[in-house]
Amino acid sequence: SAVISQKPSRDICQRGTSLTIQCQVDSQVTMMFWYRQQPGQSLTLIATANQGSEATYESGFVIDKFPISRPNLTFSTLTVSNMSPEDSSIYLCSVESGGETQYFGPGTRLLVL
Amino acid sequence: KNEVEQSPQNLTAQEGEFITINCSYSVGISALHWLQQHPGGGIVSLFMLSSGKKKHGRLIATINIQEKHSSLHITASHPRDSAVYICAAQQGGSEKLVFGKGTKLTVNP
Repeated sequence: SAVISQKPSRDICQRGTSLTIQCQVDSQVTMMFWYRQQPGQSLTLIATANQGSEATYESGFVIDKFPISRPNLTFSTLTVSNMSPEDSSIYLCSVESGGETQYFGPGTRLLVL
Repeated sequence: KNEVEQSPQNLTAQEGEFITINCSYSVGISALHWLQQHPGGGIVSLFMLSSGKKKHGRLIATINIQEKHSSLHITASHPRDSAVYICAAQQGGSEKLVFGKGTKLTVNP
């Protein structure tokens, strides 16, 4: 199994600012995933982050808006840049461990005013 | 049409009732995940299955690959089971998940 922590757990931000969300895993994992869950919607994959390479972004998400770092096998950050109220969501990171199920972090609840 | 459809969207039950949540998918999959999301937003993985049936405590998950359908059952439901239950299809040859919109379950005492 894998235990994942995220910081911050929640934040309220002003439009135009940026927020960096941290994801820490208690074991080394190859792939980390960042998801967004907008209010009342299902989860949507933003990008896949592999250590030592550029993140792979899904359609509709770009690196300028959601830059991702993956400096080692246990840590990743997602930045939400130049925020607008439409970015208000829950952001979750997840990992796949041992070819089994995916493990999810507790989420970061973001409100942009 | 969403690739993963769940029903019902909302479900209210009395404590002790048997609960069934359904999931249909249209994509080819390597596995089907059932997840539980509590009001705070955190997600817990309940099951990952590619065939047959799995059981954990009061929870049972089944999948029919031919019919592209899965069900999550909760026996002897309890108010602490109240949460959103999400079905997610893991596409063949990929780690990517395609999520359903979730079923909000409320179990009243």
